[in-house]
Parts: sequence; C-alpha cells; structure tokens
Amino acid sequence: DIQMTQSPSSLSASVGDRVTITCRASQAISNHLAWFQQKPGKAPKSLIYAASSLQSGVPSKFSGSGSGTDFTLTISSLQPEDFATYYCQQYYSYPITFGQGTRLEI
Amino acid sequence: QVQLQESGPGLVKPSQTLSLTCIVSGGSISSGSYYWSWIRQPAGKGLEWIGRIYTTGSTNYNPSLKSRVTISIDTSKNQFSLKLSSVTAADTAVYYCARDWEPWGQGTLVTVSS
Repeated sequence: DIQMTQSPSSLSASVGDRVTITCRASQAISNHLAWFQQKPGKAPKSLIYAASSLQSGVPSKFSGSGSGTDFTLTISSLQPEDFATYYCQQYYSYPITFGQGTRLEI
Repeated sequence: QVQLQESGPGLVKPSQTLSLTCIVSGGSISSGSYYWSWIRQPAGKGLEWIGRIYTTGSTNYNPSLKSRVTISIDTSKNQFSLKLSSVTAADTAVYYCARDWEPWGQGTLVTVSS
C-alpha cells in the first residue's frame, strides 16, 4: 500500500493568514492526488484533483501543487469557514489511501 | 445535480453482515464513466477507502477488507450497495458513499454491538 503522510498534523493560524499543508507519498504517484476538506459532522468535500486542478465551485484561494512524491495544498487569506480538517488522497494504485489529516485551527 | 444518500441499519450485531445502500438522485447511475465508492471513518479518526464499482460493474476492494466486502450496482433502481460480512466492533464507523471525488453522501453511522 502507498502510505500518505501529511504534515503538520495540526496547524494554528489566524484569519487572513496563508497556510501550506504538505503531503508525501511513500512512492511516486505522478499527479494522482486529491485534496479534501472536512468539517465536523460533515462529509468530506473535494477541493482539488490531479494534484493542482480545482474542483468546480471551489474558490481560487485553494491551490495545489506537486508531482511524484511531494505535494502541497495552499490556502490563501484564511476565513473562518476554512478552519477544518484537510486530507490528501492518492488514487495512483489500489488500495486508494488517505493521509492522516491536518487539523487547521484558529 | 447528482445527490447521494446512504441508507441501512444503524446497528448491526457482531458476526452479522452490514448492508448499506447508496441511492443516487438527480442523474442516472449508468450514465457517464464514474466510479461509485464506499469510504468509512471511525469516530475521531481518518478516512478508510473500502472499495468501488465502475459503471460497468467491475470492482476494486481494499485488500484489508476484501475477503468480507461485496459492492454491487443496481442500475434499475439507480443505486449501489455495500455488504460487509462478519463484522466486529472495529467496523463501527460513519460510512460514506461517493461518486469519484464528488459528490459524497452525508454519511450514516453504523454501530456494531450486541
């Protein structure tokens, strides 16, 4: 199985900040990486697929980059609704696997 | 706009089979080229991919669950289903269905307890 490791596991930030979350794959996955946002008690919401393609309807403040084993999710100008847990997911090979999550807190 | 909704028992006894259905509305499950997936999340923990079925009916399962999982699709009812056999307390989780990356169902809590 491909292991996905996110860092940091938790992150404190303030409204207006720009933050970056990192996801590292245990082996190369090309650009077969997605990012999800999950708020408490809610289903995950897709933000980005193919490492850098923004899902329809997702604001451009979210951006993704990377290829191979190292990927980043950047959120610019944090707003209160952005405080959530973020997960990366590789879909390069089975089984599909998720990172452990990054909790973004105020 | 396609929407997904999970349905099924919220309580299952140990050693029994967990059965959930994902009802698809707002579009045909057989149109387009999509994967229909099941994912679960134990309370306070991360996401675990269970498996998925393609529109043609071909399936892929997580090896950690493969011996116990069956995912099927019913195009006539516009839904797909999950069966997980021989459940234990470790299978207690919120179960989500999803189409590719979006959309997801709201999730349904399944508790395994006698």
